[in-house]
Amino acid sequence: DAKTTQPPSMDCAEGRAANLPCNHSTISGNEYVYWYRQIHSQGPQYIIHGLKNNETNEMASLIITEDRKSSTLILPHATLRDTAVYYCIVRPPPIRNSGNTGKLIFGQGTTLQVKP
Amino acid sequence: ETGVTQTPRHLVMGMTNKKSLKCEQHLGHNAMYWYKQSAKKPLELMFVYNFKEQTENNSVPSRFSPECPNSSHLFLHLHTLQPEDSALYLCASSQDAGANVLTFGAGSRLTVL
Repeated sequence: DAKTTQPPSMDCAEGRAANLPCNHSTISGNEYVYWYRQIHSQGPQYIIHGLKNNETNEMASLIITEDRKSSTLILPHATLRDTAVYYCIVRPPPIRNSGNTGKLIFGQGTTLQVKP
Repeated sequence: ETGVTQTPRHLVMGMTNKKSLKCEQHLGHNAMYWYKQSAKKPLELMFVYNFKEQTENNSVPSRFSPECPNSSHLFLHLHTLQPEDSALYLCASSQDAGANVLTFGAGSRLTVL
């Protein structure tokens, strides 16, 4: 899987947009970008994923650059409950029963602190 | 009840005790996982089960013994643990063992005295 690079920490004011960057310059053409987050002492939570088009769901938006070498997760109106570690993970496309799921590698991620 | 439920949420045990962690998922998923997260460290995959069959053991010491009686339940039996085994143990499930979207439980915080 391609390596990802994220800033270790970021701050964001409550109510403002939080933009979390991720570099994945060695991403392959068929690899997806996944985002998870982990609130303190809880299990990670899936947020969103994409291949090359921008994606939006009820939690966040994912912007992937045209060359796919970087992406940004956007939380449009951050709240205190969004304080968490955010993980950017690059993965090949899912193949049913391939046994690859558990090999999701959660690196150090970005610790986002949302402040009042 | 929906999602992935782990019990107990907190467990304190001595090195000679035998205890078990339980995980239950109500999502209709076929794959289940145990992860370990030590303080200030990334998640470490321990075991993978797909359709009740163990498909991966990531060189986990034998003092950790998993059991998957069916696709909805997963146990982690613990015996003669060491203090360095103190960690957050996370259970997860996915549609199958090839999906990239996992649903995690809240974890069981284990302290070994």
